[in-house]
Amino acid sequence: SQQGEEDPQALSIQEGENATMNCSYKTSINNLQWYRQNSGRGLVHLILIRSNEREKHSGRLRVTLDTSKKSSSLLITASRAADTASYFCATDATQGKLIFGQGTELSVKP
Amino acid sequence: EAQVTQNPRYLITVTGKKLTVTCSQNMNHEYMSWYRQDPGLGLRQIYYSMNVEVTDKGDVPEGYKVSRKEKRNFPLILESPSPNQTSLYFCASSLDGSNQPQHFGDGTRLSIL
Repeated sequence: SQQGEEDPQALSIQEGENATMNCSYKTSINNLQWYRQNSGRGLVHLILIRSNEREKHSGRLRVTLDTSKKSSSLLITASRAADTASYFCATDATQGKLIFGQGTELSVKP
Repeated sequence: EAQVTQNPRYLITVTGKKLTVTCSQNMNHEYMSWYRQDPGLGLRQIYYSMNVEVTDKGDVPEGYKVSRKEKRNFPLILESPSPNQTSLYFCASSLDGSNQPQHFGDGTRLSIL
């Protein structure tokens, strides 16, 4: 079952612009995580937000969580070419089971 | 260096020939998990293990087996591989569960002809 769905599927922006990706999910969660994947490589953890948190920051990353709407957003500010990657949200509804969305492919043009 | 190591990184094999993909972590993590990644489908969890000798099915366990005899190792076994198991496979580990940041290996690309 696919819990998280990212939107948009692909996003192309210029360097310096902000990039916003959204994730929606279906059931109640304990936490939501965001990961980055560079072309065919392993995923790298970016940020984890717990169900009782509304917003979290890490460097140029800002994540929000709205449990009433079952949605989260990832904002990357002042994007760089090196931010080009796929971004995935993952939800933990049941201990042990982590469900990933299909991802947003971000392209940042120099 | 803290890492999750998968072997092999690439494998081309034929239908029905048993294969094992190894996964090892050096972080003393309790939790380990296997995923497959297919275009348009994202990552889907195959099996996970909360601790030694404890394994559970993820969303797509059919055709796979796992074992967790030691904390550091979590091999994925395909007893009789079929072409629909051609995929990119990832192993991941975390301190003690799916509610923690996951550390991923670099992936194993399997092609089954």
